Amino acid sequence: DTAVSQTPKYLVTQMGNDKSIKCEQNLGHDTMYWYKQDSKKFLKIMFSYNNKELIINETVPNRFSPKSPDKAHLNLHINSLELGDSAVYFCASSQGQYSGANVLTFGAGSRLTVL
Amino acid sequence: ELKVEQNPLFLSMQEGKNYTIYCNYSTTSDRLYWYRQDPGKSLESLFVLLSNGAVKQEGRLMASLDTKARLSTLHITAAVHDLSATYFCAGLSSNTGKLIFGQGTTLQVKP
Repeated sequence: DTAVSQTPKYLVTQMGNDKSIKCEQNLGHDTMYWYKQDSKKFLKIMFSYNNKELIINETVPNRFSPKSPDKAHLNLHINSLELGDSAVYFCASSQGQYSGANVLTFGAGSRLTVL
Repeated sequence: ELKVEQNPLFLSMQEGKNYTIYCNYSTTSDRLYWYRQDPGKSLESLFVLLSNGAVKQEGRLMASLDTKARLSTLHITAAVHDLSATYFCAGLSSNTGKLIFGQGTTLQVKP
């Protein structure tokens, strides 16, 4: 029943490792997003895909690479993890950037801790 | 680029009291959203405001939008403990299509 599901929910890893977070939505939405929430709760958009096409690519290190195999999935791969990457990463989806109210539905978040 | 600022960032209030959270934004925004986040949880959509003068109410929460002043407010009436959470406003940038969030207002309602 979960609308936007992310895995894993928690991720603890060492500096320098590579990790991935997966996201899937079953709402039939066209647009998916990755947001990063830091320790002060500040939310910042990282990427957005519309029908598998990258439409928003914020200034994030190129160690972060999103991949959208289809419009229901958006994964985030992070190479060479650094301490500063520790955060909660939220996946979200919406009907479309300029469709109606375009309310974003968020996943439960994936808490990444880099040691 | 669109900037969104909320105040206050932290609000401690007694049950039964009223208060307002303010959300200012810097440039034209197509839409204004309010979200709620409980500790360690996801963000839940509360309201979306689409036009000048829009007012929406759900229970003890009422949101309004003044596009001329570039201001949205979230008014809490007769607060109860269950309303304790962090509230975010967010504006949709007309130029970039990005949803830009404010810093969040952490509300603590004390019995």
